[in-house]
Amino acid sequence: TQLLEQSPQFLSIQEGENLTVYCNSSSVFSSLQWYRQEPGEGPVLLVTVVTGGEVKKLKRLTFQFGDARKDSSLHITAAQPGDTGLYLCAGDGPYSGGSNYKLTFGKGTLLTVNP
Amino acid sequence: GAGVSQSPSNKVTEKGKDVELRCDPISGHTALYWYRQSLGQGLEFLIYFQGNSAPDKSGLPSDRFSAERTGGSVSTLTIQRTQQEDSAVYLCASSFDDPRGGVLAGLYEQYFGPGTRLTVT
Repeated sequence: TQLLEQSPQFLSIQEGENLTVYCNSSSVFSSLQWYRQEPGEGPVLLVTVVTGGEVKKLKRLTFQFGDARKDSSLHITAAQPGDTGLYLCAGDGPYSGGSNYKLTFGKGTLLTVNP
Repeated sequence: GAGVSQSPSNKVTEKGKDVELRCDPISGHTALYWYRQSLGQGLEFLIYFQGNSAPDKSGLPSDRFSAERTGGSVSTLTIQRTQQEDSAVYLCASSFDDPRGGVLAGLYEQYFGPGTRLTVT
């Protein structure tokens, strides 16, 4: 069962364009993280969102956590070639009680920004 | 080093052979995680260590997979009698831990290593 669905799976845009990628689930997460992964490297954490409805900005990147804590979006303004990479969302949970140490990852959105 | 390191970076092995993958976590991180990333798939959780103990091994795909951690530091993931479906990138991550036991993954940032690309021919 795929708990986190990311869309689109692939996205190729021109430098300067805006884009939004989505991470959706039918499950509630206590927190949700966004990572970026470049070829030959491990994922690098971009942001963690915890509160339903929370919006966080990281330069040209805007992250939003859904009110019900089941979904999230990542919006990039004026994309640059350096934004190219695999964007992964990961949820902490869903809880089955007690501490939860597992991150559940989506399959990712592969973004290519062409100069 | 300052980050998580993994070795080897690439491993090509013949079907049926055993392989060992190594992870050196960030010094001071008590939690260590192994994930597997296959082409077109997300990261699949394999196992979590709290110190030298592995409270949850449920993500290991079969009994051919095992992992250990010694001295609260280095971890080794062993795959016995490798199969072609074992081909993937194996990622290790480490983080601080909840001293009360267990960890809320979202609270403690997981730092990933570069991975070991395993190819079984």
